Amino acid sequence: GAGVSQSPRYKVAKRGQDVALRCDPISGHVSLFWYQQALGQGPEFLTYFQNEAQLDKSGLPSDRFFAERPEGSVSTLKIQRTQQEDSAVYLCASNPSPGTGSTEAFFGQGTRLTVV
Amino acid sequence: AQKITQTQPGMFVQEKEAVTLDCTYDTSDQSYGLFWYKQPSSGEMIFLIYQGSYDEQNATEGRYSLNFQKARKSANLVISASQLGDSAMYFCAMRGRYSSASKIIFGSGTRLSIRP
Repeated sequence: GAGVSQSPRYKVAKRGQDVALRCDPISGHVSLFWYQQALGQGPEFLTYFQNEAQLDKSGLPSDRFFAERPEGSVSTLKIQRTQQEDSAVYLCASNPSPGTGSTEAFFGQGTRLTVV
Repeated sequence: AQKITQTQPGMFVQEKEAVTLDCTYDTSDQSYGLFWYKQPSSGEMIFLIYQGSYDEQNATEGRYSLNFQKARKSANLVISASQLGDSAMYFCAMRGRYSSASKIIFGSGTRLSIRP
């Protein structure tokens, strides 16, 4: 595909349930970011990967949040024991390899998570 | 610490008029990049324009221009000849250095509504 793809687009989870959100970045993009966007707010950084290495996870709000990118392409954001405050849109973005001169991040359409 | 401030939660503008969306930022980095993204109701983040901190000229992309005033730490977006399709959320954002590997931080956004 030409862009960043996220699935599912919508997810309803019961409180306490575990969820997994998938991101397919643009082919060949080395850098991958996850963001959390609450209703009416700007995106908040969660974590960053360069290839398969998770170089920054300073934005993960608790140890219930876990992200992986085992082969340096597809990434999964997992939330364990979901709580109502986890309800948000989760955005994935990718960048080409550093040094290509491209500076903006390309975003997917996001996964809207609703915890009931 | 880096911070983006957007003080206009919402704006209404008549079609075909120009509009300025305000953005101020705070950073201790010497090199940084500034971005504007558009987020329509469909949810995807669409890159509009980029300004590097050492770029001497203000960035322009079609109807979009960035009014960069480094001493005042402001990076306002100007949209000329607004169109109905410009109605969306607009986010100002910043990356800490010239690298596609560092995270982008976002402001809280401005909701722009274009009146016919």
